[in-house]
Amino acid sequence: KNEVEQSPQNLTAQEGEFITINCSYSVGISALHWLQQHPGGGIVSLFMLSSGKKKHGRLIATINIQEKHSSLHITASHPRDSAVYICAVITQGGSEKLVFGKGTKLTVNP
Amino acid sequence: NAGVMQNPRHLVRRRGQEARLRCSPMKGHSHVYWYRQLPEEGLKFMVYLQKENIIDESGMPKERFSAEFPKEGPSILRIQQVVRGDSAAYFCASSFGGLMNTEAFFGQGTRLTVV
Repeated sequence: KNEVEQSPQNLTAQEGEFITINCSYSVGISALHWLQQHPGGGIVSLFMLSSGKKKHGRLIATINIQEKHSSLHITASHPRDSAVYICAVITQGGSEKLVFGKGTKLTVNP
Repeated sequence: NAGVMQNPRHLVRRRGQEARLRCSPMKGHSHVYWYRQLPEEGLKFMVYLQKENIIDESGMPKERFSAEFPKEGPSILRIQQVVRGDSAAYFCASSFGGLMNTEAFFGQGTRLTVV
C-alpha cells in the first residue's frame, strides 16, 4: 500500500462544476504539497500546507492532520484546469524527501 | 527572475553511453532536488542537494547514477552506461527555505530516451 493515496484516479467534469480531489496518507508528515502537471509535462506547485486551509484564486486546499487527509477543491472549473493533480508529503523525520501520490487526472469538458 | 532551467529538454542516448542532465535553480535558491518519472508511473524522489553537499541520496540507484551541485554552476545528474530502463522524464526542483517551509519550483524536465 502506498504511503500516499489519491482519489479518484480519473475525474471528468463539465465546465463550471465544483471539483474535489482527495489525498490520504498513512504516515506522520511535516508538510503536504499539491502539484499540477500539465498535459505537456510541466509541473507547477499549487500549495504547501502544514495545517488549516489555503486559497488561491479558484483553488482551495485543506488539510486535517488528525485524520491524515487533504482535499484540493476547484470552483467554477474550466477546460484549462485539465491536468494531473498530484499530492506529495514530507514525512516526519527531518528529510526533505517528497513522497508522491499517483495523481488524479482531471478532464474538464466545455 | 528566470525559473528553474533544465537542459537539454530532450536527450537521446544509445545503450552504454553517458547522460548528463543539467539544472540551474531559481536565483537565491540553495536547495535542489531531482525526481524521476517513469512512463505511466508517478514521480519518485532521487536526491536532495545543497551547494557542494549531497544531503539525501536515498532514492538514487546504487550504481551508475550520481549527482552534484558545485559551488559554481548548475546541478548535474549523471547516468553512466545507460540502459533502456533509464528512459524517463527527469525533473529538477529548487526551493528557497526547504520543502517543510516553502514551495518547490520545478523545471520543465529532461526527457531521456535510451535506444
